[in-house]
Amino acid sequence: NAGVTQTPKFQVLKTGQSMTLQCAQDMNHNSMYWYRQDPGMGLRLIYYSASEGTTDKGEVPNGYNVSRLNKREFSLRLESAAPSQTSVYFCASIIGDVGELFFGEGSRLTVL
Amino acid sequence: GEDVEQSLFLSVREGDSSVINCTYTDSSSTYLYWYKQEPGAGLQLLTYIFSNMDMKQDQRLTVLLNKKDKHLSLRIADTQTGDSAIYFCAENIMNYGGSQGNLIFGKGTKLSVKP
Repeated sequence: NAGVTQTPKFQVLKTGQSMTLQCAQDMNHNSMYWYRQDPGMGLRLIYYSASEGTTDKGEVPNGYNVSRLNKREFSLRLESAAPSQTSVYFCASIIGDVGELFFGEGSRLTVL
Repeated sequence: GEDVEQSLFLSVREGDSSVINCTYTDSSSTYLYWYKQEPGAGLQLLTYIFSNMDMKQDQRLTVLLNKKDKHLSLRIADTQTGDSAIYFCAENIMNYGGSQGNLIFGKGTKLSVKP
């Protein structure tokens, strides 16, 4: 099925460990985004990539890095995980002038 | 900074109308959105309204926009149990770099529909 695919869906890390969340879209969208969702906080933008080869910080970028590997793929890396990064992470891509975001199913990360 | 506020919970009976309210702060937003999130899933765009409109109707959904008061509402007519979900209000903040997907989301309103 066409859409946004995120891996892994679940992950448990220990403080200080590193990991990369992968995201791929097959809709030929130019722009891709990483949001995090915390209880009672809504969604907050971490990083985005308006086009292949460019990345920019969002509202909460500290502790994260991103790579726009090609037009399809946009990865999010935690170099040294902290308990405050326990969250559900959503990747999204966008099409059209309206700005409709297509979201993946989310990656649930727990940092102990 | 920019902020979007909405009530956290709403409970209605099946067949009634639901009204979810939202206030926002950035008057320069081009579009305002309502997203729906079902348990364990990502968000899906439910509807949107362009900032120069004051009303938009789409089947059971009616969106009202009051720009003067920076107030947005979503009315769901004949609410069904399948409408139970979390509904997020969001506004587009172009000054984050001009990307259309840079949205400020509210905290979400959990709609519970009782049979």
